[in-house]
Amino acid sequence: SQQGEEDPQALSIQEGENATMNCSYKTSINNLQWYRQNSGRGLVHLILIRSNEREKHSGRLRVTLDTSKKSSSLLITASRAADTASYFCATGAGGTSYGKLTFGQGTILTVHP
Amino acid sequence: SQTIHQWPATLVQPVGSPLSLECTVEGTSNPNLYWYRQAAGRGLQLLFYSVGIGQISSEVPQNLSASRPQDRQFILSSKKLLLSDSGFYLCAWSVVGGASDTQYFGPGTRLTVL
Repeated sequence: SQQGEEDPQALSIQEGENATMNCSYKTSINNLQWYRQNSGRGLVHLILIRSNEREKHSGRLRVTLDTSKKSSSLLITASRAADTASYFCATGAGGTSYGKLTFGQGTILTVHP
Repeated sequence: SQTIHQWPATLVQPVGSPLSLECTVEGTSNPNLYWYRQAAGRGLQLLFYSVGIGQISSEVPQNLSASRPQDRQFILSSKKLLLSDSGFYLCAWSVVGGASDTQYFGPGTRLTVL
């Protein structure tokens, strides 16, 4: 079964607005990552946050992690039409897990110009 | 820099026919390699992973098999395709023993079984 569950399943906003996506997971993790997928393409790594971190920034992206609640959020500020894509969270166990990740079901983000 | 290739990009096959999808990685050595299937544009299901030549681990029982004949080549196969094998197949790699589990994905193969 999928470890990560994203919420909402779909999000529709206007250009310039902020977009927030949430991810919950069930077991202990070493890190949590967010990926982006444009329609019909492969996934692209966006940002990684480790289990001992609470917040991380990269450009217009802000990720938070609450290990006590087993949840994470991805905030995209000042969204653009080009941000339209599916966004997935993925959890990694680290150690001897051979780099395996468990992906959530994703949030489909549509940004209207 | 590292690149990952998958082919073919799209494939339409009849039920019962064989399958061979190929993935190759350039610019790195001894990567971890992964095959995923994605149904209906949603979550990814890990099918196989490999930590070295000839070393394949299966995550779910299914009609598919994987092989790694060379360090940077990963092949997904089936002897007889089922309708349920339709989907978007993604190959990915990661650094063995890396500081993170970050994976780098190929462009994918869209498989339709009729």
